[in-house]
Amino acid sequence: GAVVSQHPSWVICKSGTSVKIECRSLDFQATTMFWYRQFPKQSLMLMATSNEGSKATYEQGVEKDKFLINHASLTLSTLTVTSAHPEDSSFYICSARGLQGSNTEAFFGQGTRLTVV
Amino acid sequence: GDSVTQMEGPVTLSEEAFLTINCTYTATGYPSLFWYVQYPGEGLQLLLKATKADDKGSNKGFEATYRKETTSFHLEKGSVQVSDSAVYFCALSRIRIGLIFGKGTKLSVKP
Repeated sequence: GAVVSQHPSWVICKSGTSVKIECRSLDFQATTMFWYRQFPKQSLMLMATSNEGSKATYEQGVEKDKFLINHASLTLSTLTVTSAHPEDSSFYICSARGLQGSNTEAFFGQGTRLTVV
Repeated sequence: GDSVTQMEGPVTLSEEAFLTINCTYTATGYPSLFWYVQYPGEGLQLLLKATKADDKGSNKGFEATYRKETTSFHLEKGSVQVSDSAVYFCALSRIRIGLIFGKGTKLSVKP
């Protein structure tokens, strides 16, 4: 299957600082990218959907000013956690869907473990 | 809204036992259905999928059939192995919407 690379795989940051997570589709063009958050022993919760060149659509309850998403190209989307706090500590996962259509498989990055201290 | 419900875990089986993980969904229209697997320390991987009613997805000995009448997509395997130990997620996909996941079921297979 297609490859989605997410970086970094883990990061520790101080409370109040910002952290940027990158998601790249390596061998296909991703018209749509999704960002998920996974709490321990919980399922993946969709945070936002972004289409290349347009503003992200955030799920209810997700602060768009805190979780900045940029999808500037067909192969790269970034999630920036601004002014991070300990409660933002979580596992963040991106996925990307290609040009083939809307109900096709989405490929997942390896995830980023964020710890805010 | 759309949702996915899957059986609570953890599930512990002996090697070569039969596996069933139940998954039911709520959605308008005709979503595509997926099973993803997350092995320890790894990212999510697609295990199998079905895009329309009565389709059967299969991979690595796992099977699931898209049952519109019961809105179900149960995962089955006839004989599990230790290497199948992982967390399994049922999910559905709608047009222009990200995947909606169930809570995941942890499977542990003992030798």
